[in-house]
Amino acid sequence: NAGVTQTPKFQVLKTGQSMTLQCAQDMNHNSMYWYRQDPGMGLRLIYYSASEGTTDKGEVPNGYNVSRLNKREFSLRLESAAPSQTSVYFCASSAPTAGSYTFGSGTRLTVV
Amino acid sequence: AQSVSQHNHHVILSEAASLELGCNYSYGGTVNLFWYVQYPGQHLQLLLKYFSGDPLVKGIKGFEAEFIKSKFSFNLRKPSVQWSDTAEYFCAVRSAWTGGFKTIFGAGTRLFVKA
Repeated sequence: NAGVTQTPKFQVLKTGQSMTLQCAQDMNHNSMYWYRQDPGMGLRLIYYSASEGTTDKGEVPNGYNVSRLNKREFSLRLESAAPSQTSVYFCASSAPTAGSYTFGSGTRLTVV
Repeated sequence: AQSVSQHNHHVILSEAASLELGCNYSYGGTVNLFWYVQYPGQHLQLLLKYFSGDPLVKGIKGFEAEFIKSKFSFNLRKPSVQWSDTAEYFCAVRSAWTGGFKTIFGAGTRLFVKA
């Protein structure tokens, strides 16, 4: 089925470990996004990529890096995980004129 | 700074009750407005959206929302809720800004419908 695929679905890290969250979409969307969802705070934008070859910081970029590998793939990297990064991470994509997002199923990350 | 405010963080209703979830935003320019729903354990899905035209928009599953420009509001309504509407609901506002568009989400409203 067409959509946004995220891996992994669950991950437990120790403080200081690194990891990369993968995201791929097969809808030929130009724009891709990484959000984190925390209770009572809604979704906060970490990084986004308006088009292939470009990336920009969102509201909460500290501690993260991203790579727009090609039009389909947009990865999020935690270089040195901290407990404050315990969250649910969602990748999303959108077409330029549609406005609405298609979300992936999320990655539940726990940093101990 | 642009912001989206959802007035109710938690709402509990009985089946067949009517629902209205408030959403206000702060931005003076042209906006696109959205409501997303997140069922337990699932990802966010689009419920409805407003770009232009009739300010009363209808979405899936019997939901509707009304855009009132003068009040900067986009409230979500449903005449009669069902147990299956138990979910978290997010209002989102997309606005033009330097370099393209930006979408801001509200903090969400958790709805629990009692059978």
